[in-house]
Amino acid sequence: EIVLTQSPATLSLSPGERATLSCRASQSVSSYLAWYQQKPGQAPRLLIYDASNRATGIPARFSGSGSGTDFTLTISSLEPEDFAVYYCQQRSNWLFTFGPGTKVDIK
Amino acid sequence: QVQLQESGPGLVKPSETLSLTCTVSGGSISSYYWSWIRQPPGKGLEWIGYIYYSGSTNYNPSLKSRVTISVDTSKNQFSLKLSSVTAADTAVYYCARLLRKYYYMDVWGKGTTVTVSS
Repeated sequence: EIVLTQSPATLSLSPGERATLSCRASQSVSSYLAWYQQKPGQAPRLLIYDASNRATGIPARFSGSGSGTDFTLTISSLEPEDFAVYYCQQRSNWLFTFGPGTKVDIK
Repeated sequence: QVQLQESGPGLVKPSETLSLTCTVSGGSISSYYWSWIRQPPGKGLEWIGYIYYSGSTNYNPSLKSRVTISVDTSKNQFSLKLSSVTAADTAVYYCARLLRKYYYMDVWGKGTTVTVSS
């Protein structure tokens, strides 16, 4: 089973600041990695797929990069609605796993 | 646009079978993969499994012995059965559609809470 590790566990930032979230896989997943945003009481929302492709309707301030085992989600300038939990998810070998999540909260 | 709605009992007794249905509206269940994901209270997401509209499935190895996912194209629904449940199976259960060609969860239901308790 491929294990995903996310860091940091919590990121405390102010609106307007840049957020950089990391996801590391226990073995290569090529580019088969997605990022989701989840707000309290809501279902997750797909942000990025295949490491760097923005999903439909996702603002340009969200970007993804990486391949192999190391991936990054960047939010260029945090808006108030961006404070949430972010999960990475891989789909290598047609088995899916999620990372434990990074909470982005207001400093 | 496509919407998903989970339904089923909110309370299941230990050792019994959890049964949920996801109804797809605003689009056809055909030509897509469909998935179940769960989230225990205060914890992260766990993928349970997925099914293609034709009926082929793939399950999380850690749950495989207890999980069955099925599809009913005539009703535009797919279903989850999880047997021999324990308190550890208490969670919010989500159904989701997999993005065509890329196979990530792009449309989600709102989730339904299932509690395992006697």
